Amino acid sequence: QQQVKQSPQSLIVQKGGISIINCAYENTAFDYFPWYQQFPGKGPALLIAIRPDVSEKKEGRFTISFNKSAKQFSLHIMDSQPGDSATYFCAASTPGTIGFQKLVFGTGTRLLVSP
Amino acid sequence: EAQVTQNPRYLITVTGKKLTVTCSQNMNHEYMSWYRQDPGLGLRQIYYSMNVEVTDKGDVPEGYKVSRKEKRNFPLILESPSPNQTSLYFCASSLLPSGPHGNEQFFGPGTRLTVL
Repeated sequence: QQQVKQSPQSLIVQKGGISIINCAYENTAFDYFPWYQQFPGKGPALLIAIRPDVSEKKEGRFTISFNKSAKQFSLHIMDSQPGDSATYFCAASTPGTIGFQKLVFGTGTRLLVSP
Repeated sequence: EAQVTQNPRYLITVTGKKLTVTCSQNMNHEYMSWYRQDPGLGLRQIYYSMNVEVTDKGDVPEGYKVSRKEKRNFPLILESPSPNQTSLYFCASSLLPSGPHGNEQFFGPGTRLTVL
């Protein structure tokens, strides 16, 4: 059972447009929500992350919007560029014993930004 | 350069032939983990380790073994590989999380395994 549901599976956006990827979760114990970016042939890398005590976090052209009551969070990429073409994974983490937090990943969204 | 390295990067093998994928990190991280990535399924955790000699199962551990004899190394062992283990494998490491920053995981470049 997928604990974090991600959509869409793939997305094509024109250069300069806004890319939006959505994730939903059920476990209210999740307390950390990162997004990872993966380029072809590379491992995922942390892009941006948010904790549920804020509703939005922005870093450059990347913004996470978080809706705690709806148990949803989304990644917005403003002014999308061809260099943003990658696979994006949302994830969620629960607190655990002795500070260990297990990451659960969504199924990924393949973004293609057309020139 | 801080990094996670994996070897080999590509491997084609046959059913039943034991293999080991190595993983090493130079960041003195306590936590290490193995994931497999399959289309439509995302990243699923196979095993993880919170420190030397401390390992535990992730979500899809069947058919895999790990060991953590040294802090920097976390090899993944497939004792009798089967075709359903054909996948893209990633090793990751992180500090044990503390404070408000969560646990950024640093991933290796991946190992593409094909089992015939």
